[in-house]
Amino acid sequence: AQKVTQAQTEISVVEKEDVTLDCVYETRDTTYYLFWYKQPPSGELVFLIRRNSFDEQNEISGRYSWNFQKSTSSFNFTITASQVVDSAVYFCALSEARFNKFYFGSGTKLNVKP
Amino acid sequence: DGGITQSPKYLFRKEGQNVTLSCEQNLNHDAMYWYRQDPGQGLRLIYYSQIVNDFQKGDIAEGYSVSREKKESFPLTVTSAQKNPTAFYLCASSIRASNQPQHFGDGTRLSIL
Repeated sequence: AQKVTQAQTEISVVEKEDVTLDCVYETRDTTYYLFWYKQPPSGELVFLIRRNSFDEQNEISGRYSWNFQKSTSSFNFTITASQVVDSAVYFCALSEARFNKFYFGSGTKLNVKP
Repeated sequence: DGGITQSPKYLFRKEGQNVTLSCEQNLNHDAMYWYRQDPGQGLRLIYYSQIVNDFQKGDIAEGYSVSREKKESFPLTVTSAQKNPTAFYLCASSIRASNQPQHFGDGTRLSIL
């Protein structure tokens, strides 16, 4: 079974629109960590944020915000006022405390059109 | 600057040939990883290493081999047993703890001639 599900394969928006990328995870551990990465066309994955299972506070960083809800096992990522430079593939990942391995979702490709 | 260097950026393999992808890091990280990414798909773990001279198979290790003789280096060999090697290969490293983010190289794109 998939530990991390990103149901949105591809999303297209027009610049300045807000967009939310969904991430649903599955784990039996009580201690775990969730991550978001950005993969621009150049290919390198860039780390964006980490959230641990004990901290359900939402986080905002500039135009980016993250909504973590344990009740629904979701860790969604919202980009406000999207820009063309936000076009990339975004990955959500889960790390369980027992293991030092990541489980990546299949990614969501975001296209931001001018 | 600290980081992860993968080389070459592009690699071509002939039938029956083994090829080796290089991954070097100067972040002083204990843990290193190799992932395979196919078009439109996520990352699949090939091998990982938590410490020098030790490594474990990931989800798709068949047809691949690795070594970890030095902390800084984790080369991946794609053997002739890997029948469908065309993919984008990403190397990552991290501090050895489950709460630490992995840091990635720029990747190597492997194709069959």
